Amino acid sequence: AQSVAQPEDQVNVAEGNPLTVKCTYSVSGNPYLFWYVQYPNRGLQFLLKYITGDNLVKGSYGFEAEFNKSQTSFHLKKPSALVSDSALYFCAVRDTGTASKLTFGTGTRLQVTL
Amino acid sequence: DSGVTQTPKHLITATGQRVTLRCSPRSGDLSVYWYQQSLDQGLQFLIQYYNGEERAKGNILERFSAQQFPDLHSELNLSSLELGDSALYFCASSVGGGGTNEKLFFGSGTQLSVL
Repeated sequence: AQSVAQPEDQVNVAEGNPLTVKCTYSVSGNPYLFWYVQYPNRGLQFLLKYITGDNLVKGSYGFEAEFNKSQTSFHLKKPSALVSDSALYFCAVRDTGTASKLTFGTGTRLQVTL
Repeated sequence: DSGVTQTPKHLITATGQRVTLRCSPRSGDLSVYWYQQSLDQGLQFLIQYYNGEERAKGNILERFSAQQFPDLHSELNLSSLELGDSALYFCASSVGGGGTNEKLFFGSGTQLSVL
């Protein structure tokens, strides 16, 4: 069975500092990995995805994520955080064996302060 | 705006009752997915429909059922409601059948409160 772990319930960062939101995954086949963001009272929005190829994936709003197969991780990063980045971030994985099912992590709340 | 419309935004009902949540996917999208978001369970996949047919099933209770109509809108029916069914229910859509490259577009959700 596929699964995703987001070990931090909340990450606090000062504006202008780099941020990292952690994600590790478990799949039986090859992973297809996604990051989504949820702003208050809104649905989830797609940020970026890794399917194959370059381990560093660039996405929306200046976010990027690094795929590390040996550590089974897909951490979300941004070089300089903004207050407006404060939101709930979800990592998700889709197994090649069960292509339709997208499994989400429990989410990490990012709080960026001035 | 994702283009996915969910109604109603809020629903308050009593235990034992039955409710229907509605979802209209983005124009052109053939798949509809239902997810349940709660504080203790996180975001749980319930079920997916593709062009009117059930495509994938997740952790959906027998008290819950869904369908997708010819115009591609979908309804999620929740019956014999329990306090623990209180959650935010999301609908999402995608162009195809949920292939590996596809991203999902989410609606704003229906907040269900069972009292």
